[in-house]
Amino acid sequence: GAGVSQSPRYKVAKRGQDVALRCDPISGHVSLFWYQQALGQGPEFLTYFQNEAQLDKSGLPSDRFFAERPEGSVSTLKIQRTQQEDSAVYLCASSLEARIGDTQYFGPGTRLTVL
Amino acid sequence: GQQLNQSPQSMFIQEGEDVSMNCTSSSIFNTWLWYKQDPGEGPVLLIALYKAGELTSNGRLTAQFGITRKDSFLNISASIPSDVGIYFCAGLPGGGGFKTIFGAGTRLFVKA
Repeated sequence: GAGVSQSPRYKVAKRGQDVALRCDPISGHVSLFWYQQALGQGPEFLTYFQNEAQLDKSGLPSDRFFAERPEGSVSTLKIQRTQQEDSAVYLCASSLEARIGDTQYFGPGTRLTVL
Repeated sequence: GQQLNQSPQSMFIQEGEDVSMNCTSSSIFNTWLWYKQDPGEGPVLLIALYKAGELTSNGRLTAQFGITRKDSFLNISASIPSDVGIYFCAGLPGGGGFKTIFGAGTRLFVKA
């Protein structure tokens, strides 16, 4: 398909496990965003990439969270030593340009449940 | 940190009724966005507003960027059952940067 895809769609982890969440943005999109959406809340910004450069990681809640986009396309969000409070939907979005306010296209999200 | 206060939290309306929801902030935003999210999906952009005072329509949807740059509203006219979902306001704060702030959402229920 032509949209943003994320995998896996659902992930269950035991507390303390490491997880890796994948985002495939729309081909050619320069900008990529990660958000965390807790149940009943709006998405919260985690980090922003422009091509392979991570320009803003101010929203990452702790040093257990790490994101990368090594070739400027696919991105991975890694969470180490997962905690119960990490349970949320993790959304990825991409936009065509590196322009503030450019339309972001969201993927369906990965629902992470930490037991 | 910067926050958006979105109201109402939920709305229960009859098909055909008009709907209004709004978003306020204590700080200035340069861009206001309105999204709709269906269950199991990511948010989809409905309307983007880039200038204070701007009024923009998209079909039955109309949104305005407040003159103070601290608020925005979204109106839906003649609601239909497929309008059901969660509507989020979002904004990009003054001062630049790509960080988008989202409100907590308005849950809309439409009774046929």
